[in-house]
Amino acid sequence: NAGVTQTPKFRVLKTGQSMTLLCAQDMNHEYMYWYRQDPGMGLRLIHYSVGEGTTAKGEVPDGYNVSRLKKQNFLLGLESAAPSQTSVYFCASSYSRTRNEAFFGQGTRLTVV
Amino acid sequence: AQSVAQPEDQVNVAEGNPLTVKCTYSVSGNPYLFWYVQYPNRGLQFLLKYITGDNLVKGSYGFEAEFNKSQTSFHLKKPSALVSDSALYFCAVRDWQLSNDYKLSFGAGTTVTVRA
Repeated sequence: NAGVTQTPKFRVLKTGQSMTLLCAQDMNHEYMYWYRQDPGMGLRLIHYSVGEGTTAKGEVPDGYNVSRLKKQNFLLGLESAAPSQTSVYFCASSYSRTRNEAFFGQGTRLTVV
Repeated sequence: AQSVAQPEDQVNVAEGNPLTVKCTYSVSGNPYLFWYVQYPNRGLQFLLKYITGDNLVKGSYGFEAEFNKSQTSFHLKKPSALVSDSALYFCAVRDWQLSNDYKLSFGAGTTVTVRA
C-alpha cells in the first residue's frame, strides 16, 4: 500500500530552469494539496485540488502551476525557478469530507542555485 | 481567516516525564483540529484529530489532546515520554463552516527532544 508517492526526492536546479514534481496517490482521494515547508514557518499551501480537472490557489501560489488531469496524480510545476523556491515540498491527499485527515508524501527537497 | 500558534519552538523533557506541546487556534466558525508528527527526512504522520464530541481525544503512540473551546487551545500530551518521541510536531486547523475553503492551516511546529 504505497499511499502518497512523490517524485523526485531530491533535485538541484539552476535559476531559470523549469521542472515538474509528481505526486501520485492510490487511496482514491478527491482532495490533493501541495505544501512547501520552510524553517520556522510551518507548512504553507501552494495549490490544491478538490477533484479531477480542478485546481485552486493556496497561500503562496506565485511562481508555481499545477494540473490534475487524473484523479490519482497532482503535478506541481516551476516554470522559471528562483532561489526563493528552495524548500521542501510536500504533497498530501484526503477524502472529500473536511473532517478527514490528510496523508502526506515523503517530500521533495529542492535547491535552486 | 484561520490560524494556528505553537508558542514554543522547542520542548525538552526527560524520558519518563510528561510531555505537553501547546497549540492555540483562531477560526471564525468551528474548528477541526489535527496533530501531526514529522521525523527527520520524513513526511508528516497523522497523530489524532478533534472533530466533535468528547474534548479529550486519544491518538497514536499513546498521545492525547484536549480541546478547550473557551481557551481556543488543543494541547498535545503524553503521560510518559520516550526518546523515540523526539520529533517535530505540528498542530493544524480547518474551519468547517467555511464550506468552500479546504485549506488546512499549520502552526510553525515544535521540536520535541526527549533525553534519556
